[in-house]
Amino acid sequence: DGGITQSPKYLFRKEGQNVTLSCEQNLNHDAMYWYRQDPGQGLRLIYYSQIVNDFQKGDIAEGYSVSREKKESFPLTVTSAQKNPTAFYLCASSIVGATYGYTFGSGTRLTVV
Amino acid sequence: GESVGLHLPTLSVQEGDNSIINCAYSNSASDYFIWYKQESGKGPQFIIDIRSNMDKRQGQRVTVLLNKTVKHLSLQIAATQPGDSAVYFCAERALAYNNNDMRFGAGTRLTVKP
Repeated sequence: DGGITQSPKYLFRKEGQNVTLSCEQNLNHDAMYWYRQDPGQGLRLIYYSQIVNDFQKGDIAEGYSVSREKKESFPLTVTSAQKNPTAFYLCASSIVGATYGYTFGSGTRLTVV
Repeated sequence: GESVGLHLPTLSVQEGDNSIINCAYSNSASDYFIWYKQESGKGPQFIIDIRSNMDKRQGQRVTVLLNKTVKHLSLQIAATQPGDSAVYFCAERALAYNNNDMRFGAGTRLTVKP
């Protein structure tokens, strides 16, 4: 079955650590996105990529980094510069132009301990 | 600026009743709209979509209405069931968003009482 997979489901980060969230899709989508979701709030765009080896900052990119070395993969690194990283992170993918909207992964919940 | 928003943050209905969730948008260039359902701790799931050349679209127990005159979108759920309890949010697509194609509303939490 085609889909988008995020791992891990739960992640704990110590102060000063960098952590990487995985996102893999086998939908042959060119575009991929990372969103942050805080309780009671909507989705906020962190980074997006329309093509391999290229990506763009979203509304809240500070403290995050991404790479897009393969079409199928778009990992997100939460760096120590992100002072409030506790949140639910969602990865999504689409064909360019989002003619049929976005397909979302199941999310990763990151907690600072 | 352009935004997608919702009229009510929470909605509580009795099992078996119909539910109506509303969404306002402000970008007249938006041409495609989606309703997503998000259960606790899970990713959003596609429910139904509608394009701007339509004003109504029906699915199984769900109907989406689009009023472009007042830039309003609604989701109607017939015979609401406990499994419908979730956060519902709308999304709009406008190619004028410069390749960041879709914008999302904050969501309405639907609670179904048995």
